[in-house]
Amino acid sequence: DQQVKQNSPSLSVQEGRISILNCDYTNSMFDYFLWYKKYPAEGPTFLISISSIKDKNEDGRFTVFLNKSAKHLSLHIVPSQPGDSAVYFCAASTTTSGTYKYIFGTGTRLKVLA
Amino acid sequence: KAGVTQTPRYLIKTRGQQVTLSCSPISGHRSVSWYQQTPGQGLQFLFEYFSETQRNKGNFPGRFSGRQFSNSRSEMNVSTLELGDSALYLCASSLDNPGTEAFFGQGTRLTVV
Repeated sequence: DQQVKQNSPSLSVQEGRISILNCDYTNSMFDYFLWYKKYPAEGPTFLISISSIKDKNEDGRFTVFLNKSAKHLSLHIVPSQPGDSAVYFCAASTTTSGTYKYIFGTGTRLKVLA
Repeated sequence: KAGVTQTPRYLIKTRGQQVTLSCSPISGHRSVSWYQQTPGQGLQFLFEYFSETQRNKGNFPGRFSGRQFSNSRSEMNVSTLELGDSALYLCASSLDNPGTEAFFGQGTRLTVV
């Protein structure tokens, strides 16, 4: 049972354009969501997060949008740069559970074309 | 401040053997989680330790076990290795505050032959 889904395994975008990565979840108890970026042979690095009390969080070129009613979140990267080429994972957790179990999606490989 | 350190980085083992992986969390982080990454499966949660106690466990067989020491360092053990255990094993550490991110190590690439 995949509680966090990233239905697009890959995405290609031209440099300078917007990249939109999508993530859907099924568990309504999730209240904290994160995006991680992963380069080959490295561990995931944290990008940006959002709490369920918000619907948008921005950090520089990265913006995460949360639509609780649709159980959907998206990561926007504007403008996209070749260095953004990596695998992006969304993750979700339940902060009231008292543990730090993050459920990850299967990832979307972003390729930014120069 | 040093990041999460995992050792070894690469490991090759034979089917049926056992293996122990090590993780040193960021100083001050007492929560340590382990994940398995395989192609097409994303990061699958193995277990989480806090103050030497396992707080949460994923859906993995009992061959996968772990422990945490008083200095928060953690080890993961896999016994009776199977070919399907070949994966990147990632360790992450967190502060014990809800709604904070986990910081990952570079992982241990385990190959079972």
